[in-house]
Amino acid sequence: NAGVTQTPKFQVLKTGQSMTLQCAQDMNHEYMSWYRQDPGMGLRLIHYSVGAGITDQGEVPNGYNVSRSTTEDFPLRLLSAAPSQTSVYFCASSYGAGGYEQYFGPGTRLTVT
Amino acid sequence: AQSVSQHNHHVILSEAASLELGCNYSYGGTVNLFWYVQYPGQHLQLLLKYFSGDPLVKGIKGFEAEFIKSKFSFNLRKPSVQWSDTAEYFCAVTTGNTGNQFYFGTGTSLTVIP
Repeated sequence: NAGVTQTPKFQVLKTGQSMTLQCAQDMNHEYMSWYRQDPGMGLRLIHYSVGAGITDQGEVPNGYNVSRSTTEDFPLRLLSAAPSQTSVYFCASSYGAGGYEQYFGPGTRLTVT
Repeated sequence: AQSVSQHNHHVILSEAASLELGCNYSYGGTVNLFWYVQYPGQHLQLLLKYFSGDPLVKGIKGFEAEFIKSKFSFNLRKPSVQWSDTAEYFCAVTTGNTGNQFYFGTGTSLTVIP
């Protein structure tokens, strides 16, 4: 099993550009989520999904869009990049929400200039 | 929104010293509690978790944590740290009525000096 994979590993964007961060898991997990990690702020939940076709907002959803057309994939779209979105982005998956362990991907380091 | 507080932002210890990292949460109902570790350059991994039952939870690599409901705390401990424990440690919680959302603390950076 590859677990949770994320691409790209690094990305530099100019302000106003859009892009999609890819996330895939091969563990047949229903629950997937996106976090951003910023110094001194820990991990903050952006969006999550409890199954294909179902998504919901987390703590910091503004400026991001998600969709879940398959169980395996959960891409995160930046609609119009801003410097405030410079961060490390982690995707995670688990069998379900609540008390299940989340498995994290290796992260994408995004810089917006 | 729930909150998770980790008061120790950066801890420096010598090898063989004992470790205790604090974690407090704000929710008064049923909680699920977790400690995750992020080694340098790696992604987050689960150290241990508490759902119910024995409030003293044992995890991997000799770590343990104690859930004290009256104090809203879930502190992480290790009797003797090693250089390889150098990492960032995150406490996280899901609650009875926000079970779809994980709330993470701001993290504690641990440096162990050989």
